[in-house]
Amino acid sequence: KAGVTQTPRYLIKTRGQQVTLSCSPISGHRSVSWYQQTPGQGLQFLFEYFSETQRNKGNFPGRFSGRQFSNSRSEMNVSTLELGDSALYLCASSYGTGMNTEAFFGQGTRLTVV
Amino acid sequence: AQSVTQLDSQVPVFEEAPVELRCNYSSSVSVYLFWYVQYPNQGLQLLLKYLSGSTLVKGINGFEAEFNKSQTSFHLRKPSVHISDTAEYFCAVNGYSTLTFGKGTMLLVSP
Repeated sequence: KAGVTQTPRYLIKTRGQQVTLSCSPISGHRSVSWYQQTPGQGLQFLFEYFSETQRNKGNFPGRFSGRQFSNSRSEMNVSTLELGDSALYLCASSYGTGMNTEAFFGQGTRLTVV
Repeated sequence: AQSVTQLDSQVPVFEEAPVELRCNYSSSVSVYLFWYVQYPNQGLQLLLKYLSGSTLVKGINGFEAEFNKSQTSFHLRKPSVHISDTAEYFCAVNGYSTLTFGKGTMLLVSP
């Protein structure tokens, strides 16, 4: 069974640009969550999607957005990039949305904003 | 609200020695607890989880953790570490349908 696939693995963007990251969950998984990982703030929850609907959202500005498609694949978009957006962005998929559901993580997309 | 505190940012240890990585949590609701490991340039891999039942949980790679409700702790232990255990370890809680992570503990195993 293929794992969670995130593309691209590495990305370099210029301040002010926008970026779209992609996540393909494990087959059969309908929930996708996104996290931002930085050395200073650690792992922070961005948002969660289930069946194309955003269920939860973390404390991030509106420049961060996401969506989920009918095949459960998800994208997140960051507009007007700032230097502080440089981070490892991790996607996690799970079968359901219960609190006891195991989340499976992708390898992440490392975004560098210059 | 929920939060996780990992008391040590780095834990150096010699190969074959025992290790304990500490985790304390705070939540106003019942939680489920998880430990994840992250190797360099990789995503997170689940080591073990506490959902209910026995407070001693066994995971992969010889790790185990004990849930202590009165002390709101979920410490991770391994009786004998290997060089390959060098990685960052994250404790996480889920009480509101989202995972909240600690800042991580870097386990550095030297020969």
